Amino acid sequence: QVQLVESGGGVVLPGRSLRLSCAASGFTFSTYGMHWVRQAPGKGLEWVAVIWYDGSLKYHADSVQDRFTVSRDTSKNTLYLQLNSLRAEDTAVYYCAMGPYYDSSGYLTRWGQGTLVTVSS
Amino acid sequence: EIVMTQSPATLSVSPGERATLSCRASQSVSSNLAWYQQKPGQAPRLLIYGASTRATGIPARFSGSGFGTEFTLTISSLQSEDFAVYYCQQYNNWPPWTFGQGTKVEIK
Repeated sequence: QVQLVESGGGVVLPGRSLRLSCAASGFTFSTYGMHWVRQAPGKGLEWVAVIWYDGSLKYHADSVQDRFTVSRDTSKNTLYLQLNSLRAEDTAVYYCAMGPYYDSSGYLTRWGQGTLVTVSS
Repeated sequence: EIVMTQSPATLSVSPGERATLSCRASQSVSSNLAWYQQKPGQAPRLLIYGASTRATGIPARFSGSGFGTEFTLTISSLQSEDFAVYYCQQYNNWPPWTFGQGTKVEIK
């Protein structure tokens, strides 16, 4: 069955970096667009980034533009999010989520369990 | 950026009653609207896409309607497992993909 398992979260100092991973299994990874969505403690959902099924397009939210970078490795069935220049307001649970088959721009069909990033001194 | 506004923020409903949740878009999103359910400590789960199509495995008591800027999620007879936070999301004009702020459905 479809599984998305995030890892890489933790406590980090402001200004430092972190790389999140999302291991995908149970489906053909190369045929699905993948998103990152975050949720600050007690708050709602905020879309962060997307990468097209073939890696041809990437978009990032304005709030993370030039600091975060989404990527994917099809050979490892893994999605990544590189987080640089972290700020306190980046503290959140980060979820990876998949789009519909070959539709990178649609709704989010399945979500991972999330990984918590805490930015604090 | 399209702003999604949900109402009410909190809805108190007794088990077995009907719940009606609203979502409004700041401009038309056609039928490119999804609903998600999130329980405490869990990831969101897709309920509805295309404004009215239930996702795989979603019970028939969940229904969605609307087009353009006004949307509704209806839970016909609330079960104990339905008490959760519900989010709408538009995927018509992107980036960014935008969510509403959520409606919490609590036990009355």
